[in-house]
Amino acid sequence: QLQLQESGPGLVKPSETLSLTCTVSGGSISSSSYYWGWIRQPPGKGLEWIGIIYYSGSNYYNPSLKSRVTISVDTSKKQFSLRLRSVTAADTALYYCARSMAPLDAFDIWGQGTMVTVSS
Amino acid sequence: QSALTQPASVSGSPGQSLTISCTGTSSDVGSYNLVSWYQQHPGKAPKLMIYEVNKRPSGVSHRFSGSKSGNTASLTISGLQAEDEADYYCCSYAGSSTLVFGGGTKLTVL
Repeated sequence: QLQLQESGPGLVKPSETLSLTCTVSGGSISSSSYYWGWIRQPPGKGLEWIGIIYYSGSNYYNPSLKSRVTISVDTSKKQFSLRLRSVTAADTALYYCARSMAPLDAFDIWGQGTMVTVSS
Repeated sequence: QSALTQPASVSGSPGQSLTISCTGTSSDVGSYNLVSWYQQHPGKAPKLMIYEVNKRPSGVSHRFSGSKSGNTASLTISGLQAEDEADYYCCSYAGSSTLVFGGGTKLTVL
């Protein structure tokens, strides 16, 4: 049964780069059927789509974050990663990784989420 | 790209049917059959309940159904149960290779 697990620092300083990794277990990250994505949720607020990536490396980003975001994939490690540059307090959120059933379709499997706080 | 519009809260009694709306525009909900719905209990990750407007993933109760009319998608829950109390989010393809979520609806079972 496929599972996703986020990992990374829980505290990042303003203006620095947030880096998170999602590890895929119990299945293949190289399946041609799926994309892999990041979604975040500020405390007490709703979900925000960050972006998705295919195992080949092709990706799509939220236009509002595109200038600061990079999503990459390492198939040998069965991981995909999120980097968000120049963070501010507004980037404080619970960050989820998830599997997308198709490009820009629903997310059917989610990680448990990891909280990232931006503070000095 | 603006968030889809959902009612902040809805409520219903056990056994009743209830519908949550998700209003977008002709650029997102109205143009694509790529609307999904998620259920989120407190402290838990979202769970996919409906995809591609009206398809149910394996394991999701038949009490949950989805539909779309024009720029508005809807999630209907029949035979409301206490365990259905949660936050619900819609999501739609918004063109130009982007996705957009709704603001979320808090469902209270009275």
